Amino acid sequence: DIQMTQSPSSLSASVGDRVTITCQASQDTGIYLNWYQQTPGKAPKLLIYDASYLEAGVPSRFSGGGSGTDFSLTISSLQPEDVATYYCQQYHNLPYTFGQGTKLEIK
Amino acid sequence: QVQLVESGGGLVKPGGSLRLSCAASGFSFSDYDMSWIRQAPGKGLEWVSHIRRSGDHIYDADSVKGRFAISRDNSKNLLYLQMDSLRVEDTAVYYCAREGAKFSGTFYYWGRGTPVTVSS
Repeated sequence: DIQMTQSPSSLSASVGDRVTITCQASQDTGIYLNWYQQTPGKAPKLLIYDASYLEAGVPSRFSGGGSGTDFSLTISSLQPEDVATYYCQQYHNLPYTFGQGTKLEIK
Repeated sequence: QVQLVESGGGLVKPGGSLRLSCAASGFSFSDYDMSWIRQAPGKGLEWVSHIRRSGDHIYDADSVKGRFAISRDNSKNLLYLQMDSLRVEDTAVYYCAREGAKFSGTFYYWGRGTPVTVSS
């Protein structure tokens, strides 16, 4: 199975800050990497698919990058509504696997 | 609009069974692969099971293999998860999710989830 490791596990930043979360795969996943946002008590929501493509309706301050084993999710200017837990997920191979999550808070 | 509504969760004793359902609407159900994903209390996301749009290919996580069975009824727009030999560690919110039209593995739409508690 492909293991996905996110860092950091938690993060506190100020409104307007640029925030980056990284995700490392235990083996090459190409660009078969997605990012999801989960706010408390809600289902996850797709933000980025195929490593760098913004899902429809997602604000342009979110961006994704990387390929192979190293990926990143960047929020260019943090907003209060971005408080959530963020997960990466690979779909290069079954079983599909998620990172452990990064909890983002406002300082 | 796309809607996925899970039901069938509840409290069950270890060793017991439950059948979860996911009612799909707002899209052509038979054109999409589907998955079940779960989240234990305070924990991250774990993919559980996947079924191809035609129902002819099924993949399960090792943690549920031989105990859980995914199925679908394309005539009724329903996805199921039969869960047998339940364990305490199966306690979680179970989400159904719709995958992409062309390629599997991206979860574009999620239901709100149904909670399953396995406890004596």
